Amino acid sequence: NAGVMQNPRHLVRRRGQEARLRCSPMKGHSHVYWYRQLPEEGLKFMVYLQKENIIDESGMPKERFSAEFPKEGPSILRIQQVVRGDSAAYFCASSPPLSGSGGELFFGEGSRLTVL
Amino acid sequence: GEDVEQSLFLSVREGDSSVINCTYTDSSSTYLYWYKQEPGAGLQLLTYIFSNMDMKQDQRLTVLLNKKDKHLSLRIADTQTGDSAIYFCAVPDSSASKIIFGSGTRLSIRP
Repeated sequence: NAGVMQNPRHLVRRRGQEARLRCSPMKGHSHVYWYRQLPEEGLKFMVYLQKENIIDESGMPKERFSAEFPKEGPSILRIQQVVRGDSAAYFCASSPPLSGSGGELFFGEGSRLTVL
Repeated sequence: GEDVEQSLFLSVREGDSSVINCTYTDSSSTYLYWYKQEPGAGLQLLTYIFSNMDMKQDQRLTVLLNKKDKHLSLRIADTQTGDSAIYFCAVPDSSASKIIFGSGTRLSIRP
């Protein structure tokens, strides 16, 4: 029973290039969350998706960042025209539907983006 | 929106108890969580507490909840070197559509 799978684990991009980060949720989970962890900072919520729907993108920067979770295949976090400030660890988590009482998130090991 | 605050660092001597504190703003949360992140890894759920409880004990871990003050703490008894990690307090936001994490407390152990 594989956990949340993220790839690539490490990604190096030059300024202006595009970064694509992929996340396959745990089997049976239809809810995916992306978080960003900057060096020496906490975990910041970016976006919450269900299959083919963006539920909450209140943490996503307005420009250059987009996320999708298609009917088939992994969730993708896309960063266009990367800048040095995008260097961070990007974590994906999945869960069954969070009820009004909340629920556990299962995290991948993260994708570490370095922008040169 | 929900705001979760933690101190950034804690250093304790091996064998002593560690106490990590957290404050939050939204009182509607039903579950409150502690996650652990080891170096280079993702986060794993360590323990959680229902909001109708004041205390939960699980082996070396004790969680205390003061709902009036919106204060959550995690106590690790007999702290070991393997406990070195970043500990995150986490609370569902009022819509329960996402979980908000604190900044994390980095626990280091002195011999």
